[in-house]
Amino acid sequence: DVKVTQSSRYLVKRTGEKVFLECVQDMDHENMFWYRQDPGLGLRLIYFSYDVKMKEKGDIPEGYSVSREKKERFSLILESASTNQTSMYLCASSLGLMNTEAFFGQGTRLTVV
Amino acid sequence: AQSVSQHNHHVILSEAASLELGCNYSYGGTVNLFWYVQYPGQHLQLLLKYFSGDPLVKGIKGFEAEFIKSKFSFNLRKPSVQWSDTAEYFCAVNAKDSNYQLIWGAGTKLIIKP
Repeated sequence: DVKVTQSSRYLVKRTGEKVFLECVQDMDHENMFWYRQDPGLGLRLIYFSYDVKMKEKGDIPEGYSVSREKKERFSLILESASTNQTSMYLCASSLGLMNTEAFFGQGTRLTVV
Repeated sequence: AQSVSQHNHHVILSEAASLELGCNYSYGGTVNLFWYVQYPGQHLQLLLKYFSGDPLVKGIKGFEAEFIKSKFSFNLRKPSVQWSDTAEYFCAVNAKDSNYQLIWGAGTKLIIKP
């Protein structure tokens, strides 16, 4: 079974802090994604990566950056956390972009106070 | 803007009722279609998917969905729901027109009354 593991289930951070969310997948998938999930908005893509050191902006990249130094690990960075970044963050991975499904981690519920 | 629409944000049913959740998308050409489910406190998991072939797709836990190309729809159905189907259901689509990115509906929260 594909496993996507996010480092934290719950995080509470202060406004202005730099926040790191880590994600590891164990199936040698090429693609990894960071989404934000908010009620009534579905999932919105923040960034994705299709290869090591490669990244592409999604729909809502402002205030976020990412790092993919190794194939299995994709990190989401909030440079200076703000209260409007309080949300559920989901990491996913997939083998390809078409004709393939995405596998999700458990999610990290981040609260910025 | 191209999108994925789920018609109902909240659905409440009694056990044994039949379920149909609507999903419409606006992408032309070849599409991949998905229904994912998120049970309370759990991660998103795939219910079923359509890539090609038979437009009637069967998934886990008795769910099925029908791809109707002319209607740009991929509705999810289950003939008789159970209390354990209480969850949030998401429709998602990817296509060349979406730059192969998964585009998600807003989700439908399904509550099954015992």
